[in-house]
Amino acid sequence: AQTVTQSQPEMSVQEAETVTLSCTYDTSENNYYLFWYKQPPSRQMILVIRQEAYKQQNATENRFSVNFQKAAKSFSLKISDSQLGDTAMYFCAFMNPYGNNRKLIWGLGTSLAVNP
Amino acid sequence: DAGVIQSPRHEVTEMGQEVTLRCKPISGHDYLFWYRQTMMRGLELLIYFNNNVPIDDSGMPEDRFSAKMPNASFSTLKIQPSEPRDSAVYFCASSLGWGLDEQFFGPGTRLTVL
Repeated sequence: AQTVTQSQPEMSVQEAETVTLSCTYDTSENNYYLFWYKQPPSRQMILVIRQEAYKQQNATENRFSVNFQKAAKSFSLKISDSQLGDTAMYFCAFMNPYGNNRKLIWGLGTSLAVNP
Repeated sequence: DAGVIQSPRHEVTEMGQEVTLRCKPISGHDYLFWYRQTMMRGLELLIYFNNNVPIDDSGMPEDRFSAKMPNASFSTLKIQPSEPRDSAVYFCASSLGWGLDEQFFGPGTRLTVL
């Protein structure tokens, strides 16, 4: 069964610094999709960044980037120049594109606090 | 577009009562998902629909839970009878397609069963 593990339940970072959140997953597939979602205190889940495993280049969205290590089955999220608004729960998710089951498998999340 | 709309935002009920949660997905989205979020179990997919048809309901905890999607713009999640362990935040999400398509989440319904 595919699983997603986020080994850091809580993290903190000073404003303007860089922080990396870890995510590992388990699958026997060669192609799949990976996502990072953010859930601020408002509770609204928001997509941060996404990556197709078939593409080797790491995805980047402004201050957010990923370090995708396919062989290690690792998909870490780097937040540069952290801002107070980045304080949130961050969830890593995996999707197997094959077969009829097209659901996201979610990690348990990492709570990130950005301190002034 | 107003995004995914859920109602109510908060629901407090007593054990044994019927609870109905409602969702209006983003217009044009073919997929609709119902999730439950708790501290202990994180985010769990309960059921999802494609073009109003339930595709995978393996996450529905038991027969007390049921979900319907009578048309492309409306879905309900019903719990009957409700129990205290059903207390959680329930999210509805929709997406245009699948794969890399983003799932857009509603604001969630916080359910408390006393």
